Amino acid sequence: DIQMTQSPSSLSASVGDRVTITCRASQSISNYLNWYQQKPGKAPKLLIYAASSLQSGVPSRFSGSGSGTDFTLTISSLQAEDFATYYCQQSYSTPRTFGQGTKVEIK
Amino acid sequence: QVQLQESGPGLLKPSETLSLTCTVSGGSITTYFWTWIRQPAGKGLEWIGRIYPSGSTNYNPSLKSRVVMSVDTSKNQFSLKLTSVTAADTAVYYCAREGETAVTLRPFDYWGQGTLVTVSS
Repeated sequence: DIQMTQSPSSLSASVGDRVTITCRASQSISNYLNWYQQKPGKAPKLLIYAASSLQSGVPSRFSGSGSGTDFTLTISSLQAEDFATYYCQQSYSTPRTFGQGTKVEIK
Repeated sequence: QVQLQESGPGLLKPSETLSLTCTVSGGSITTYFWTWIRQPAGKGLEWIGRIYPSGSTNYNPSLKSRVVMSVDTSKNQFSLKLTSVTAADTAVYYCAREGETAVTLRPFDYWGQGTLVTVSS
């Protein structure tokens, strides 16, 4: 199985801050990497697919980068509605696997 | 707009079989992989497995001995059975669509709202 490791596990930030979350795969996954946002009691929502492509309807303050084993999700200017948990996920091979999540909290 | 809705019993006793159905509307089930994912309270996401409309399946090795997925294209539904459940199977269960390969590289692009399944004696 491909292990996905996110860091940090949680972070505190203020509205307007630039936030960066990293995800590392245990082996190369090319750009088969997706990012999701999950709010309490809701299903995850796709933000970024293929490492850097913005899903339709997602604000442009979200961006993704990386290839191979190291990936980054960046929120350029954190908004109130962005406080949530973020997950990376590899779609390179089965079983599909997720990172453990990064909880973004209000400072 | 594609929509997915899970249905099934919310409370099971240990050793029983969990049975859930996902109904797809707003699009045909005859293409794409269709997936089950679960999430214990306060924890992360676990991929259970996926099924293609042809009936081809892939399961998580950690659950493979207890999982069976099926699809009914006439009803635009796919289903999950998980046998011999224990308290460790208590979780919110989501169904999701795995997007196409060529451009999007297979993300989970549509999700159901999730259904809580509790295993308790």
